[in-house]
Amino acid sequence: SQQGEEDPQALSIQEGENATMNCSYKTSINNLQWYRQNSGRGLVHLILIRSNEREKHSGRLRVTLDTSKKSSSLLITASRAADTASYFCATDADGNKLVFGAGTILRVKS
Amino acid sequence: EAQVTQNPRYLITVTGKKLTVTCSQNMNHEYMSWYRQDPGLGLRQIYYSMNVEVTDKGDVPEGYKVSRKEKRNFPLILESPSPNQTSLYFCASSLYPGVGAEAFFGQGTRLTVV
Repeated sequence: SQQGEEDPQALSIQEGENATMNCSYKTSINNLQWYRQNSGRGLVHLILIRSNEREKHSGRLRVTLDTSKKSSSLLITASRAADTASYFCATDADGNKLVFGAGTILRVKS
Repeated sequence: EAQVTQNPRYLITVTGKKLTVTCSQNMNHEYMSWYRQDPGLGLRQIYYSMNVEVTDKGDVPEGYKVSRKEKRNFPLILESPSPNQTSLYFCASSLYPGVGAEAFFGQGTRLTVV
């Protein structure tokens, strides 16, 4: 069963704009991760945020976590065409596995 | 370079013909897993392995087998493939299970069963 649910399902923006994707989950978590997947390729880890952290930055990425609302957001600033991909959040439904949401498809138009 | 290598990348086979998808990692990771990805269903875990000779079922194990005889290898076996196993498959490894450790994914195997 899916633990994380991303929103929106799809997002289309112009190059240079910011892109925000949201992830909601159902049960308490210890950590949350975001991954990127280029079309048909393997997932690539972007960032990990722990349950005691509220915000984390990595380059043009900013992730927030609100455990009271059971939600996280991924912001990509100054987007580029190369950011076109699917983005997934992953949480730990139990200790042994990542549980992924259905993903947000981001298209950045140049 | 740290990587997870899957082979083959693409495979078309016929119903009932046994096949194996290989997965190898070079990071000495304890934990390995297999996922399948289908449109609208996201990634679902098939099997996972906590260590050598330790494997367990994920969410969708029916029709699949795995083995972990060596730490680096975790092959996925379809004894009698059926068309509903047509999917995109990913192998992943991490230092330990759960979301506390970054998972490294292979490039994927696109399987078509006719």
